[in-house]
Amino acid sequence: RKEVEQDPGPFNVPEGATVAFNCTYSNSASQSFFWYRQDCRKEPKLLMSVYSSGNEDGRFTAQLNRASQYISLLIRDSKLSDSATYLCVPLAARQLTFGSGTQLTVLP
Amino acid sequence: EAGVAQSPRYKIIEKRQSVAFWCNPISGHATLYWYQQILGQGPKLLIQFQNNGVVDDSQLPKDRFSAERLKGVDSTLKIQPAKLEDSAVYLCASSFSRDSNIQYFGAGTRLSVL
Repeated sequence: RKEVEQDPGPFNVPEGATVAFNCTYSNSASQSFFWYRQDCRKEPKLLMSVYSSGNEDGRFTAQLNRASQYISLLIRDSKLSDSATYLCVPLAARQLTFGSGTQLTVLP
Repeated sequence: EAGVAQSPRYKIIEKRQSVAFWCNPISGHATLYWYQQILGQGPKLLIQFQNNGVVDDSQLPKDRFSAERLKGVDSTLKIQPAKLEDSAVYLCASSFSRDSNIQYFGAGTRLSVL
């Protein structure tokens, strides 16, 4: 079983749509969780941290379920500029483990 | 603030040749990471430095890969000899310290081994 599992997609959605990505992780010792965004042929960049109570940053909402070892990212009112690959990243023992990512394309 | 600098951006070599990549982290960042990202996968950690010491190199294929950070600033990653399966993007990242969860990535070096 992979340490981090994500639906690779691609998710093709129209502008303005709401889209959700899911992620499961296998290391129960994971302490912190992040979503990174990676544009085509670019480096990963931190999108947001994921807190136990769930957190929101503008149009983005992240949720964590430690019991199920599950993380989600919700994007509301999708913009063309949201097109990218979204990487789920748990942290354990001071080491980030990257999922393979979910590809999102927002269509005009 | 200058970001993480990497060079070269692209490299094409034949199998069994050697290649080296260079990274200059963000000024003041003590921790430096090298990742390998194969097409369609997430980045995989190869080696982590804290200043000029290796913290974790458990996933570095030491028979052909080596890395150093002699003065605790710049770092080089070398592959000798290269194999076809080494074709990937090699990403360097840095963070303020090992306890800092936020890593900043360079643009990467795209390696093609023919």
